[in-house]
Amino acid sequence: LAKTTQPISMDSYEGQEVNITCSHNNIATNDYITWYQQFPSQGPRFIIQGYKTKVTNEVASLFIPADRKSSTLSLPRVSLSDTAVYYCLVGPDPSSNTGKLIFGQGTTLQVKP
Amino acid sequence: GAVVSQHPSWVICKSGTSVKIECRSLDFQATTMFWYRQFPKQSLMLMATSNEGSKATYEQGVEKDKFLINHASLTLSTLTVTSAHPEDSSFYICSARPPSQGHNEQFFGPGTRLTVL
Repeated sequence: LAKTTQPISMDSYEGQEVNITCSHNNIATNDYITWYQQFPSQGPRFIIQGYKTKVTNEVASLFIPADRKSSTLSLPRVSLSDTAVYYCLVGPDPSSNTGKLIFGQGTTLQVKP
Repeated sequence: GAVVSQHPSWVICKSGTSVKIECRSLDFQATTMFWYRQFPKQSLMLMATSNEGSKATYEQGVEKDKFLINHASLTLSTLTVTSAHPEDSSFYICSARPPSQGHNEQFFGPGTRLTVL
């Protein structure tokens, strides 16, 4: 499973757009990129997943350049409740593998009023 | 989305005792579930893969005789921490992925906080 590198922490203010970039230089051809969010003392929650280009859902957008060696999670207009740890994971097609996830260090996002 | 529950949500026990944690998939069947451990301010560490009807697969460095996993049905996996010691105090989280198409994400339980005195 490809290793990922993220900033350890980020600060933002309410209403701003937050972009968290993840590096995954050794991503394999069949790897997908998935982001999870975790609040203190809770299990992680799926945010978004993509393979290439751009993916958008009601919560976030995921931008993946052509070489797929990095990805950026974009959170529009964050609020205080978006303060959490965000994990970037890279692994084989989730619909075909065993579902094993290896978590990196994650990015602690602190949203300030 | 799919729901995974854990019981208990927290437990305090004395050193040397055993503690059982349950992980249930409430609205789907899961042939595979996963157990993670998380220490304060650290990331999740995969402990083992729980397979329904067969032995669990443990990650390197995880003692299989200390962390007993039983996946007796398609909706229940249990993790038993045997002869618990203070260093086993941690946040234990399970996860599962619905087998049907369209569910590429894993669903995590709320976690169980174990404190060993």
